[in-house]
Amino acid sequence: EDKVVQSPLSLVVHEGDTVTLNCSYEVTNFRSLLWYKQEKKAPTFLFMLTSSGIEKKSGRLSSILDKKELFSILNITATQTGDSAVYLCAVEGGTSYGKLTFGQGTILTVHP
Amino acid sequence: DAGVIQSPRHEVTEMGQEVTLRCKPISGHDYLFWYRQTMMRGLELLIYFNNNVPIDDSGMPEDRFSAKMPNASFSTLKIQPSEPRDSAVYFCASRRRLAGTYNEQFFGPGTRLTVL
Repeated sequence: EDKVVQSPLSLVVHEGDTVTLNCSYEVTNFRSLLWYKQEKKAPTFLFMLTSSGIEKKSGRLSSILDKKELFSILNITATQTGDSAVYLCAVEGGTSYGKLTFGQGTILTVHP
Repeated sequence: DAGVIQSPRHEVTEMGQEVTLRCKPISGHDYLFWYRQTMMRGLELLIYFNNNVPIDDSGMPEDRFSAKMPNASFSTLKIQPSEPRDSAVYFCASRRRLAGTYNEQFFGPGTRLTVL
């Protein structure tokens, strides 16, 4: 059974701090890993990673994948209160194309 | 593009009643997914369709749950009879597969279901 584990489960920081969120996975026929941000509504897409070692970057957020060690990290630099959210990691693999397996999420709280 | 549309946004019902949740995927998307999210279990895939055909329903909790996709622009998730443990936020998501590329799922706003 496919498995995605995120750590830490929750994190409290102050504005300006840098945070690193972790996602490890076990999946057969890995195809992609996705990061989503969820505030008090639907998850919104951040990144999709398919190749090892290639960093994806969007503003203060960046992510990288290690297919050998089966993990990904999401970095947020100079955090702001608007970064407070649940960050979800999901992996696509197995025999059913399109099916995502989600981790339990990391709850990030950024205090002013 | 209007995005994925779900209705109703909130539903409060009594145990034993039938509940029908509705979803309109993004036009042109050929995959549709139904998820359930709770604090205890996180985001769980219930069922998904490709070109209106159910592909994997292994996440459907039991026979009380059923889902249909009669055409490319509409899907329903039905719970009959509903139970308090079905209380959750139900998300619909859609995705388009392009040859040789991977792409993300787009989520609807969700339906918050409360079964009393």
